[in-house]
This record gives sequence, C-alpha cells and structure tokens, in this order.
Amino acid sequence: GAVVSQHPSWVICKSGTSVKIECRSLDFQATTMFWYRQFPKQSLMLMATSNEGSKATYEQGVEKDKFLINHASLTLSTLTVTSAHPEDSSFYICSARAPGGQETQYFGPGTRLLVL
Amino acid sequence: GNSVTQMEGPVTLSEEAFLTINCTYTATGYPSLFWYVQYPGEGLQLLLKATKADDKGSNKGFEATYRKETTSFHLEKGSVQVSDSAVYFCALSGPSTNKLIFGTGTLLAVQP
Repeated sequence: GAVVSQHPSWVICKSGTSVKIECRSLDFQATTMFWYRQFPKQSLMLMATSNEGSKATYEQGVEKDKFLINHASLTLSTLTVTSAHPEDSSFYICSARAPGGQETQYFGPGTRLLVL
Repeated sequence: GNSVTQMEGPVTLSEEAFLTINCTYTATGYPSLFWYVQYPGEGLQLLLKATKADDKGSNKGFEATYRKETTSFHLEKGSVQVSDSAVYFCALSGPSTNKLIFGTGTLLAVQP
C-alpha cells in the first residue's frame, strides 16, 4: 500500500515553455501533498505544501507564480513550471501524507526536468 | 530552526561489514525522526522511524535509536550487502509541523 506515482518520469523542454508534472496517490487519499526539489548530490528542499481544495503554501524563496501547484482532488496534485529556464533543471519529487494524522510521507519516484 | 546534520559520504564498505551513519538533529520539543533510503534511479522510501525518545526503529536489518540526550539518530546495520548500496537520508518532522527536514544524504557503496 501507500504508493505514489509521478508522471512524467523525465522531460526535456525548450527554454520558455511550461511543463506540468503530476503526482498521484494510487491506493489512498492524500489531503496533503508536498513538492520537493533535489539538486545533484544535495538534499531535498521543500518547495511547497499542497492541501486539497485550497491554495498551496510555498516555502520562503520559492516563486509561487513560477511553480504553480494545483491539488484538485484527494489523489492528484500537479506542479507546473511556467516559462522554464535552464536553471529550473532539477529533480522534482512529490510526497503524500498518509491519512489518519500520521506523519509518514510516501514519496513518488521523481521527475527529472532538463530545460535546454 | 530545526535542522539535521548527517555524516558526509561516500561511505565505502566491503560486504558483511558493520555500518554506522551518524545523524544529529536540532529541534525544539520532541520531533519524530526518520531514515529514508533512495536506491539508484528510484524515489525515496521510508526505511525506519522513531517518534519518541529511546524508541528504536528497525527494518531490513537496519536500526536506529532516538537518543534525546545526544540529539542523535544514528543508523546501523551489522552486516551490509551489495544491495544496500544507496543514498540514505536522515530527516525529522514536528513537533509543531508536518514538514520533513532532511539531512544532506550519505551515499553508501558496498563492494563484493
């Protein structure tokens, strides 16, 4: 149980285009999902917390107009990187918090974005 | 603020060697502590956790004990295998937030 999927697993795009990444909880409902960014050989940095039916809460320094998050259902959250630039190239990872007030987060396999 | 510090890698061991990856934390109150593992090309998986002082988390031969007095949560395994090669992340959450704060990760390479 507690499987989280991401799509796509990797994407290459031209500078200036927008890219949408989907995060799905496959066998449970997740009222809260998280989006992280991982740079090579570095740790995961929390970008935003996504709550179903409400606006996402962004961490300090993360541009909310650049990284659009939509959590339209209890099993789906999307991250859209708008007008992507080469510096946005990274590994984006989502996680979903299991229901019942538990603290454990279950992570998706990640999406590698390369902006040319 | 809350933070996690873990030993830098890479850690290179021979099969069947004893493993210790150090992790210390700074937090107000009593956070929950986690070890996550990231195998090559895969996402993070929860390895073990402990939610209160003196708790021991264990899974797949790995263990870690929540030590409040030393603010530590060191990961240990008595005999590593080649299949344990991965990046290991120490993390904490809470007590007043559900955000996970990660350490920088430690790459473990086990050689046959």
